Amino acid sequence: GENVEQHPSTLSVQEGDSAVIKCTYSDSASNYFPWYKQELGKGPQLIIDIRSNVGEKKDQRIAVTLNKTAKHFSLHITETQPEDSAVYFCAAAWVRDMRFGAGTRLTVKP
Amino acid sequence: EPEVTQTPSHQVTQMGQEVILRCVPISNHLYFYWYRQILGQKVEFLVSFYNNEISEKSEIFDDQFSVERPDGSNFTLKIRSTKLEDSAMYFCASSEGWPDNNSPLHFGNGTRLTVT
Repeated sequence: GENVEQHPSTLSVQEGDSAVIKCTYSDSASNYFPWYKQELGKGPQLIIDIRSNVGEKKDQRIAVTLNKTAKHFSLHITETQPEDSAVYFCAAAWVRDMRFGAGTRLTVKP
Repeated sequence: EPEVTQTPSHQVTQMGQEVILRCVPISNHLYFYWYRQILGQKVEFLVSFYNNEISEKSEIFDDQFSVERPDGSNFTLKIRSTKLEDSAMYFCASSEGWPDNNSPLHFGNGTRLTVT
């Protein structure tokens, strides 16, 4: 089945700096890659997604890139703010379920 | 914005007991899922469900687990004879289509299950 690897497990940045989280996947048939943000005590919330026919997608301060040949995709957050502090999960859609990375705990220091 | 709701938010049970975790998916969604997250670990797939039957299940989802859509709005996860290692946060999710058809999953806030 699909295996999703995510790095780093923790990331600490200064407010205003950029943060980058990287994921790789194993199944070349995967074609949909969402990113979720999980705040304490809540379920994962979709923040951005990318489809396999697109190389990059941007939504305000958040962007995602996809390299299908290398089977990796990345989340980029620019001008980070303290409220960006959370756990971020990448995921890859595989058949009838979605497999998640292990998560990255992002801390934005004011 | 419509959301997935889960009850209870926290369930404490004794080892060996049965628990039922409840979910109300988004009303126009037809595809339902259960995931679990052991404290500090990754979100793990348990099962997907469509048209009143299981579509896919992971190796975690053994005979101890079952799912049901008892009526037009609820989706439940039953765990029989709970074990200590079943302690985790259980998330319900729903989607308009299958994930590989570019449909995002929408998650509830989870039920924290504690087995003592």
